[in-house]
Amino acid sequence: DSGVTQTPKHLITATGQRVTLRCSPRSGDLSVYWYQQSLDQGLQFLIQYYNGEERAKGNILERFSAQQFPDLHSELNLSSLELGDSALYFCASSASIGGRSQNEQFFGPGTRLTVL
Amino acid sequence: GNSVTQMEGPVTLSEEAFLTINCTYTATGYPSLFWYVQYPGEGLQLLLKATKADDKGSNKGFEATYRKETTSFHLEKGSVQVSDSAVYFCALSDLMKAAGNKLTFGGGTRVLVKP
Repeated sequence: DSGVTQTPKHLITATGQRVTLRCSPRSGDLSVYWYQQSLDQGLQFLIQYYNGEERAKGNILERFSAQQFPDLHSELNLSSLELGDSALYFCASSASIGGRSQNEQFFGPGTRLTVL
Repeated sequence: GNSVTQMEGPVTLSEEAFLTINCTYTATGYPSLFWYVQYPGEGLQLLLKATKADDKGSNKGFEATYRKETTSFHLEKGSVQVSDSAVYFCALSDLMKAAGNKLTFGGGTRVLVKP
């Protein structure tokens, strides 16, 4: 158990809908990352937050957004869903954003999104 | 930009065989390197890491050495078990603070160990 929790575990929805994925980082970790794992794109970084502020953006679509709340949990919002958004979405956390001893990321179990 | 290339699978082995998964990287900075493992139906687990040149990461019988001269971080295990069947991901983390320290992953290598 990594200490990172994600809910829900599975999500099935229809095209055009909007969903919210939730992540709670390990106790004490300030940085949260979102990754998407799909068959065609592999594992891709979406976005990172550090202590409530957006820190880095990757291949995240404009239909997707995220935020990190004062209690450090994070939510990833996916809207106007398309079939191609079906994937496994992982959240990871780390203690900080710098320093070689602090950049280890711990992954949650993921949320499997199926868009029908 | 940064990139990671690892050998494509699947790799099928017999128990007690020697495993090597090749990984090479391209990075503009001086990255840390990682191997993550994903067991069927589960999330990613950190297997081992190395943060500077010539560092050797090791865990559960797996080893990988950070080779700056060849930009490689090959994963090895001397004697695999059926329980090592999983997908293995090589990854790098760029420590440029402006970019955070997101992970860039290779495509993953599926390993199947047969009894």
